[in-house]
Amino acid sequence: GAVVSQHPSRVICKSGTSVKIECRSLDFQATTMFWYRQFPKKSLMLMATSNEGSKATYEQGVEKDKFLINHASLTLSTLTVTSAHPEDSSFYICSSLGGVGGWGTEAFFGQGTRLTVV
Amino acid sequence: SQQGEEDPQALSIQEGENATMNCSYKTSINNLQWYRQNSGRGLVHLILIRSNEREKHSGRLRVTLDTSKKSSSLLITASRAADTASYFCATALSGTYKYIFGTGTRLKVLA
Repeated sequence: GAVVSQHPSRVICKSGTSVKIECRSLDFQATTMFWYRQFPKKSLMLMATSNEGSKATYEQGVEKDKFLINHASLTLSTLTVTSAHPEDSSFYICSSLGGVGGWGTEAFFGQGTRLTVV
Repeated sequence: SQQGEEDPQALSIQEGENATMNCSYKTSINNLQWYRQNSGRGLVHLILIRSNEREKHSGRLRVTLDTSKKSSSLLITASRAADTASYFCATALSGTYKYIFGTGTRLKVLA
């Protein structure tokens, strides 16, 4: 199947700093990527839809100024957690649709990034 | 919220037994997928079942879909200790590519 690479896998940062997470589609072009957040022992919550060449679409309750998404190319989307606070500590996962689209398209997920803000 | 509900939330069985997890959702979907997640790790895709399909098999996995009841089930036969993980269903809303995840079932298989 298609490969989505997410980097870094783990990051620890100090409160007030910003952290960038990268999501790359390695063997296909991804016009759309999705960012999810997962709290411990909880499900994945969709944060935003990242569209290549245009603004991201955020889910209700997600602060767009806090979680900056950039999708400047067909193979890379980035999520920047700005002015991070301990409550931003979480597991962040990106996904992209493989293939040329269609309603039966499987979603491929990155390995996830565990962010710890101290 | 569209988020699906899964039950049970947690399931503990002996190796060799079958494990059944259920997922219910709220609105029309294009397809439903099941994923597995080991603790602290990423997601592994298990099976995709389309809205016009009723049952699919993959190895020891069997997935059913009942669109009239808006529910799906995942059956793992002859479970192994290595099957211990969290299992999530995810549904793509009709007309979108957005996948919404269920609450998940934490499966523990005891050796």
